[in-house]
Amino acid sequence: GAVVSQHPSRVICKSGTSVKIECRSLDFQATTMFWYRQFPKKSLMLMATSNEGSKATYEQGVEKDKFLINHASLTLSTLTVTSAHPEDSSFYICSALPRGLSNQPQHFGDGTRLSIL
Amino acid sequence: SQQGEEDPQALSIQEGENATMNCSYKTSINNLQWYRQNSGRGLVHLILIRSNEREKHSGRLRVTLDTSKKSSSLLITASRAADTASYFCATTQGGKLIFGQGTELSVKP
Repeated sequence: GAVVSQHPSRVICKSGTSVKIECRSLDFQATTMFWYRQFPKKSLMLMATSNEGSKATYEQGVEKDKFLINHASLTLSTLTVTSAHPEDSSFYICSALPRGLSNQPQHFGDGTRLSIL
Repeated sequence: SQQGEEDPQALSIQEGENATMNCSYKTSINNLQWYRQNSGRGLVHLILIRSNEREKHSGRLRVTLDTSKKSSSLLITASRAADTASYFCATTQGGKLIFGQGTELSVKP
């Protein structure tokens, strides 16, 4: 089945550090990838939609300069949390839509737990 | 904003019992999906039901959809300890998945 790999699975770093999270579709091409944030015992909140070859579309209230998204190829999207602070600590999850199959379910990565000290 | 509301928020049952989770949504939909999330992991797609379908089965899973009431239910029959997870319904709006608040299911052996 379709596999999405997210890396790293866990990051612990000091306040002020920038952290990059990678999301790769391993066996399919994805023109669209999504980035979600999830707080403990809460649902997933969509942060942004990442489109290959164009700028990401951010949801209301999500700072684009804080959460930089790059979707440089059909199999890779990256989320960079710039100058991270403790309030950015969260579980970040990506998902990918197979190319040309917008009505099909999204395939999710296993998430990245970000802890900012 | 979140589209779906789910209840119960938490459900604890014994192995072998059935578990029912409900989801309500606000706008018209093309389909509704159910996902499962094990603790600290990503989401796994369980089942998709289209707006013109009323019921769908997959193994021990049964999903119903009532578009007149804007609600859906997920039934897990003969539950197992391995079914312990959070379950989310999700609808698609403008190509984006909007998730419900989720039900945390605990199945005790």
